[in-house]
Amino acid sequence: KNEVEQSPQNLTAQEGEFITINCSYSVGISALHWLQQHPGGGIVSLFMLSSGKKKHGRLIATINIQEKHSSLHITASHPRDSAVYICAVGRGSNYQLIWGAGTKLIIKP
Amino acid sequence: NAGVTQTPKFRVLKTGQSMTLLCAQDMNHEYMYWYRQDPGMGLRLIHYSVGEGTTAKGEVPDGYNVSRLKKQNFLLGLESAAPSQTSVYFCASSYTRFQGEAFFGQGTRLTVV
Repeated sequence: KNEVEQSPQNLTAQEGEFITINCSYSVGISALHWLQQHPGGGIVSLFMLSSGKKKHGRLIATINIQEKHSSLHITASHPRDSAVYICAVGRGSNYQLIWGAGTKLIIKP
Repeated sequence: NAGVTQTPKFRVLKTGQSMTLLCAQDMNHEYMYWYRQDPGMGLRLIHYSVGEGTTAKGEVPDGYNVSRLKKQNFLLGLESAAPSQTSVYFCASSYTRFQGEAFFGQGTRLTVV
């Protein structure tokens, strides 16, 4: 079993829908990251969370440390949100990241 | 600012050949990383550096070597390429030790035939 699991693996939705991507982990962590990888390959950091909730524009990230679970929400989704969303958890003294395999999101106009 | 620049963007190698991937960052970051990304798997850390002149092994270092002679550059070498090293390679740099806040290059698609 992977230490970081994302669901769903693939998600297709219509423009305007509310999107939820989930990340579960099985190890103790110091922080959790959400990143976005565009079709061209570029990877961009979205959020770093150690507790609670963060919001940036239409993106909201939450984390429940007790349940070892995080969610990334996108409100009023748009085709430009189409990308792979990656969850990664940081642990250990050298803060090595454990990466999820990603969720491929397609938003149709 | 260019951010993080990787060269080359694409390369095809024959088994046994060697090559070097160059990563350059212009943000004065201390931390630099090399990852590989394979289909259906998360990124895997190959090697990393916490400052000029330092390198350390990551999760999958075998078959690769690195050097950080200058703060802005982090080189990844393949000594004798194997088909199992066919992958997309990403370089990243960060100001802090939090890799998840790193800035990533655009990737290098390497095929070993």
